[in-house]
Amino acid sequence: QQQVKQSPQSLIVQKGGISIINCAYENTAFDYFPWYQQFPGKGPALLIAIRPDVSEKKEGRFTISFNKSAKQFSLHIMDSQPGDSATYFCAASGQGGSEKLVFGKGTKLTVNP
Amino acid sequence: KAGVTQTPRYLIKTRGQQVTLSCSPISGHRSVSWYQQTPGQGLQFLFEYFSETQRNKGNFPGRFSGRQFSNSRSEMNVSTLELGDSALYLCASSLSVLGLRAFFGQGTRLTVV
Repeated sequence: QQQVKQSPQSLIVQKGGISIINCAYENTAFDYFPWYQQFPGKGPALLIAIRPDVSEKKEGRFTISFNKSAKQFSLHIMDSQPGDSATYFCAASGQGGSEKLVFGKGTKLTVNP
Repeated sequence: KAGVTQTPRYLIKTRGQQVTLSCSPISGHRSVSWYQQTPGQGLQFLFEYFSETQRNKGNFPGRFSGRQFSNSRSEMNVSTLELGDSALYLCASSLSVLGLRAFFGQGTRLTVV
């Protein structure tokens, strides 16, 4: 059972454009929603995270939008740069007292120059 | 401050053998989690340790085991290796038992032939 569904699987954006990646979760016990960025040959790096008590969090060019009623959250990358080309994973934790991270399947982002 | 260190970076083993992977968390971090990453299944939780105690275990067979030492360093062991165990094994550390703000190492790439 996939508890966190992520879309799209791949995304191609022009430099300067906005990249949008969406995730949906099923378990209402989740209470922490991070996004990770992974470059080839590297481990995932924490990008930004949100709690369900806020609807939006912004850090630089990266913004998380959170819709608790719809059980959806999304990552927006403004002014996308070629250096942003990587695989992005959404995740959720806090299920039933466990702090393990449940990951989406990932989105491969390509930003063309 | 040094990041999460995983050794070895690459490993080739034969079916039926066993393997031990090592993880040194960020200094001061007491929680260590392990994840398996494959192209098909994505990132899947293996287990989490805090203060030498296993707090959570993912849905993996008993061939997968781990432990944590008093200095927070952790090892995971896979016995009777199968071809399907080929994956990137990632270790993540965090300050507290909550597992929030988990920082990942670069992983150990295990290939079973």
